[in-house]
Amino acid sequence: NAGVTQTPKFQVLKTGQSMTLQCAQDMNHEYMSWYRQDPGMGLRLIHYSVGAGITDQGEVPNGYNVSRSTTEDFPLRLLSAAPSQTSVYFCASSYLAGRLYEQFFGPGTRLTVL
Amino acid sequence: KQEVTQIPAALSVPEGENLVLNCSFTDSAIYNLQWFRQDPGKGLTSLLLIQSSQREQTSGRLNASLDKSSGRSTLYIAASQPGDSATYLCAVVILTGGGNKLTFGTGTQLKVEL
Repeated sequence: NAGVTQTPKFQVLKTGQSMTLQCAQDMNHEYMSWYRQDPGMGLRLIHYSVGAGITDQGEVPNGYNVSRSTTEDFPLRLLSAAPSQTSVYFCASSYLAGRLYEQFFGPGTRLTVL
Repeated sequence: KQEVTQIPAALSVPEGENLVLNCSFTDSAIYNLQWFRQDPGKGLTSLLLIQSSQREQTSGRLNASLDKSSGRSTLYIAASQPGDSATYLCAVVILTGGGNKLTFGTGTQLKVEL
């Protein structure tokens, strides 16, 4: 199993540009989520999904959109990038029931918005 | 709102020393608690997961304890090695109608010196 994979690893955007961060998992996990990590603030939940076709907002959802058309994929879209979105983005997945909800994380995408 | 605090923020110890990292949380209604390791520029690696009904979990030189009633968890590292140098994060899991949500602490940055 590849686990949780994320692409790209690094990205530089200009203010106002849009892009999609990709996340995929091959563990058949129902639950997937996106976090951003900023110095001194820890990891904060952006959006999450409990299954295909079901998404919901986390703690810091503004400026981001998600969709979940398949169990495997959970892309994060930045519609109009802003410097405040400069961060490291992590995707995570877990089983929704049983298995103690242990979460597995991808390697991250480091995004800089100029 | 659940808040998770990790003290100290940074720690430097000589090789071979036993050490304890602390994690405290404000809401004791947690499902489980997960300890992660993060190396610089990398993603999160799950170290230990403790169910709310458990008191501790062990993996090799690592031992994590949980006192749910007092809102505390500790990660004990025995016979520390330079390879243990990393940031250690704790996260509490709460079950909601929308799935399992993690709230992270800001981490303890550990440096083990030769």
